[in-house]
Amino acid sequence: DGGITQSPKYLFRKEGQNVTLSCEQNLNHDAMYWYRQDPGQGLRLIYYSQIVNDFQKGDIAEGYSVSREKKESFPLTVTSAQKNPTAFYLCASSIAGEKLFFGSGTQLSVL
Amino acid sequence: AQKVTQAQTEISVVEKEDVTLDCVYETRDTTYYLFWYKQPPSGELVFLIRRNSFDEQNEISGRYSWNFQKSTSSFNFTITASQVVDSAVYFCALRDTGRRALTFGSGTRLQVQP
Repeated sequence: DGGITQSPKYLFRKEGQNVTLSCEQNLNHDAMYWYRQDPGQGLRLIYYSQIVNDFQKGDIAEGYSVSREKKESFPLTVTSAQKNPTAFYLCASSIAGEKLFFGSGTQLSVL
Repeated sequence: AQKVTQAQTEISVVEKEDVTLDCVYETRDTTYYLFWYKQPPSGELVFLIRRNSFDEQNEISGRYSWNFQKSTSSFNFTITASQVVDSAVYFCALRDTGRRALTFGSGTRLQVQP
């Protein structure tokens, strides 16, 4: 089945630790996105990538980093510089300009 | 800059009632796209509709309908004869030519009581 796979479903971060959230798609989409969801605040854009080896900052990129070495993969690293990382993280992909397809999300919490 | 406002934080209705979710957007572009997504308790967002700025026709899909009015920058969503399975958070979103990513509203949580 085609779709977007996010892993892990739940992730815990210790103080000062970097953690990486995985996002893989087999839809052959060029564009991929990372959104953060906090209660009552909707979805906010962290990073997005239109093509391999290229990505742009979104509205809340500070404390996060990404890479796009393969079309299928767009991992997100939450660095120790992100002081409030607890949130629900959603990955999405699309054919440029069309609707976004979303993964099932990763809940990140701080220990 | 683009902006989407969903002023209704939470709505509670009884099954079979009709309910309208409001969405107001801001953009300087003449070409843009509007979307509605549903987020059930599982967390994954489900696409409902995409509408471009040149098509102001209302859309009906089963119990769902959408009213797009450029004059008031609104793209409202109505569920007719609501059901318990409609309980979810609903998001309105905008994409214009200024940014190739969706800007989402803060969402409206709909609770349909049996």
